[in-house]
Amino acid sequence: GIQVEQSPPDLILQEGANSTLRCNFSDSVNNLQWFHQNPWGQLINLFYIPSGTKQNGRLSATTVATERYSLLYISSSQTTDSGVYFCAVLGNTGGFKTIFGAGTRLFVKA
Amino acid sequence: DGGITQSPKYLFRKEGQNVTLSCEQNLNHDAMYWYRQDPGQGLRLIYYSQIVNDFQKGDIAEGYSVSREKKESFPLTVTSAQKNPTAFYLCASSMAFSYNEQFFGPGTRLTVL
Repeated sequence: GIQVEQSPPDLILQEGANSTLRCNFSDSVNNLQWFHQNPWGQLINLFYIPSGTKQNGRLSATTVATERYSLLYISSSQTTDSGVYFCAVLGNTGGFKTIFGAGTRLFVKA
Repeated sequence: DGGITQSPKYLFRKEGQNVTLSCEQNLNHDAMYWYRQDPGQGLRLIYYSQIVNDFQKGDIAEGYSVSREKKESFPLTVTSAQKNPTAFYLCASSMAFSYNEQFFGPGTRLTVL
């Protein structure tokens, strides 16, 4: 089945810094989503982005489907950005199951 | 106020007991999903349902069962056959299986004593 790899696994930032999170996937995909999991476990939708570029405030994302990767950019990070960021893909094969990456754990220091 | 609700928030059970986790959505979504998350890990798909009265196994269906008798409800039963059931369980829904933007409920933390 499709493999999803996220990097880096852990990231520590000073408040105000910028960062880029990466998601690589091993096969063509129908859909791709980015989520933020807060300390209480709630998954918050950030982007639904099977291809192209989207922006929402300080966050933006780009998916290059032909090269099988997606990037999540966080600018001017805040302590409330801390948590785990997940990439999830729906593959074209293998029963159309959604596969999550292992996540990037982000801690933003004040 | 539209959304996905899961209950209970915390659940404790003794070994050998079956337990049912509730998931309800009022988003009028056709597709619903159950995931399991272990500490420090990503989410793994247990079961999914594209439409009422239909569901398919995900990657880790052994020891779990589901039903989809109503569009808004997708309960998950953790049976005594599940060898390591202690985990965080998340339910999600999407408008349609082909348009797959998923929205998640707040989750249920199950602990087996």
